[in-house]
Amino acid sequence: QKEVEQNSGPLSVPEGAIASLNCTYSDRGSQSFFWYRQYSGKSPELIMFIYSNGDKEDGRFTAQLNKASQYVSLLIRDSQPSDSATYLCAVIGARNNDMRFGAGTRLTVKP
Amino acid sequence: EAQVTQNPRYLITVTGKKLTVTCSQNMNHEYMSWYRQDPGLGLRQIYYSMNVEVTDKGDVPEGYKVSRKEKRNFPLILESPSPNQTSLYFCASTRTGGIDEQYFGPGTRLTVT
Repeated sequence: QKEVEQNSGPLSVPEGAIASLNCTYSDRGSQSFFWYRQYSGKSPELIMFIYSNGDKEDGRFTAQLNKASQYVSLLIRDSQPSDSATYLCAVIGARNNDMRFGAGTRLTVKP
Repeated sequence: EAQVTQNPRYLITVTGKKLTVTCSQNMNHEYMSWYRQDPGLGLRQIYYSMNVEVTDKGDVPEGYKVSRKEKRNFPLILESPSPNQTSLYFCASTRTGGIDEQYFGPGTRLTVT
């Protein structure tokens, strides 16, 4: 079992819709959770981080964390074609400074 | 401007020819790391360094070396590159590691023939 799992996609949504990206992790002691966006050929850039159970909102983005289910998600409201990218879930496990990435979900937003 | 720089950005080399990819950050960050990214496998950590003269193996350290003689620099060394090291490499830094945001360099695309 991979430590951080994501559906590779591609996930396709129409412009203006809600895109839902999911991530599960195996280390129950994980403490910090991150979502990065990566455009093709570019470096990852941080979108959001979340540490506590529940929802965290930042503009059109909402991160949701459920530690009991070992599940973290990212919702993108009012999706735009510019949101088309690969989204990487990253988790810092019980061993500090050890960030593990999922393989990423490729999102396409169609005009 | 706060940034992480890597050089070279693109490199084509032959099996066995030693190479070094440089990484430098201007944010006075203590923690630096190297990742490789391959299709379907995501980012995998090669080595990390929590401070000067302190380095440790990540998930895929075989075939790589690193050094951290200065806080700002963290070069990645391939003593004898092989074709399975063809990949996209990213250097990253954070203030202290742990929960801090990682800043990534622009990436180095390496091809070993």
